[in-house]
Amino acid sequence: GESVGLHLPTLSVQEGDNSIINCAYSNSASDYFIWYKQESGKGPQFIIDIRSNMDKRQGQRVTVLLNKTVKHLSLQIAATQPGDSAVYFCAEGGNNNDMRFGAGTRLTVKP
Amino acid sequence: EPEVTQTPSHQVTQMGQEVILRCVPISNHLYFYWYRQILGQKVEFLVSFYNNEISEKSEIFDDQFSVERPDGSNFTLKIRSTKLEDSAMYFCASNGPISYNSPLHFGNGTRLTVT
Repeated sequence: GESVGLHLPTLSVQEGDNSIINCAYSNSASDYFIWYKQESGKGPQFIIDIRSNMDKRQGQRVTVLLNKTVKHLSLQIAATQPGDSAVYFCAEGGNNNDMRFGAGTRLTVKP
Repeated sequence: EPEVTQTPSHQVTQMGQEVILRCVPISNHLYFYWYRQILGQKVEFLVSFYNNEISEKSEIFDDQFSVERPDGSNFTLKIRSTKLEDSAMYFCASNGPISYNSPLHFGNGTRLTVT
């Protein structure tokens, strides 16, 4: 399943499918990007980050893609599990110490 | 794994009252932050703090807000005269020590309810 984070705030996928969550960031001067996962009643939890000198970075079951030309960031989750159900936020940082969050996408994994 | 801890977990106050939200950042971190999240909305930056002074602040962080690091471990957010619209989750975060462009570690927040 795929979403555009700012225009489609919910994404529902079947367990075992791959998920793609998208984010359009605003500041062309941003050079550091993070994806966070937020479960109900908790603070945001770091998933993966990427700097602007890279266009792809892989973690365990997650991949972040960065397209600086169109100011677009995506998070791919392989073999989505029920425990992946949460709200996912992208965040951008740069020369100023004021990391800003995007609107968030709620991911629901159906068994 | 070290954690950011926040107290209290829930604070109820009357409009016009002062509140102080408390945080203990991770001990070797040098950069400290407050964010807030109104229910169901995005996480909004309030303020960053480094070397005992504010680095950046957002348009939300007006004169009613202040931050302080009163000792070597605590980091506080004070709201002088609370308004109904200050009701939100307030998250403290920290990172470093090398750079502020590193993952933020968040506490589990204080839910502030202004009545």
